Amino acid sequence: NAGVTQTPKFRVLKTGQSMTLLCAQDMNHEYMYWYRQDPGMGLRLIHYSVGEGTTAKGEVPDGYNVSRLKKQNFLLGLESAAPSQTSVYFCASSYPIGGVTNEKLFFGSGTQLSVL
Amino acid sequence: GESVGLHLPTLSVQEGDNSIINCAYSNSASDYFIWYKQESGKGPQFIIDIRSNMDKRQGQRVTVLLNKTVKHLSLQIAATQPGDSAVYFCAETPNFNKFYFGSGTKLNVKP
Repeated sequence: NAGVTQTPKFRVLKTGQSMTLLCAQDMNHEYMYWYRQDPGMGLRLIHYSVGEGTTAKGEVPDGYNVSRLKKQNFLLGLESAAPSQTSVYFCASSYPIGGVTNEKLFFGSGTQLSVL
Repeated sequence: GESVGLHLPTLSVQEGDNSIINCAYSNSASDYFIWYKQESGKGPQFIIDIRSNMDKRQGQRVTVLLNKTVKHLSLQIAATQPGDSAVYFCAETPNFNKFYFGSGTKLNVKP
């Protein structure tokens, strides 16, 4: 049981380049999230999804897009990377029980992204 | 908007002592709180949670206290061990779709 898997683990981009981060979970979780973590700050929610085919904006959605075409996958895209997007990105998932989220978030190991 | 903060960014304790990590939250509508532990190079891991209808919850060597009157949360670790060295985050949620995280406290355990 792999849990939440993120790829790639590291990436360096030049300003203006695009890329997609992949998150996959094998726990049949309904809810998936993308967070970014910057030095000295807590995790900030970028986008989230409450089910296949649905996405919603979090606290800091600008400059990012997401897609949830399959229940087990949640993609985070950067169309035109900027140095301000240098960060560590974490994907997480959780499973709602009876309409209420099973509150424990399960996190991936993170992706270190540097934009030069 | 919501804000979750920590009183102390770094905490150093002697191995075997008890540790107390504090957290303040601002959204009185939050009704669920979680403590996470993050080791270097890894994603956060769930430690313990508490709902707003409780003021104390105990786990294995950890206790979470919730004071809704002053919007304060604390994590107590008994008999702190070197393996407890990590960054600890509190998180709150008012609606279970979004979790708001504090900036973290780094716990250093001295042998």
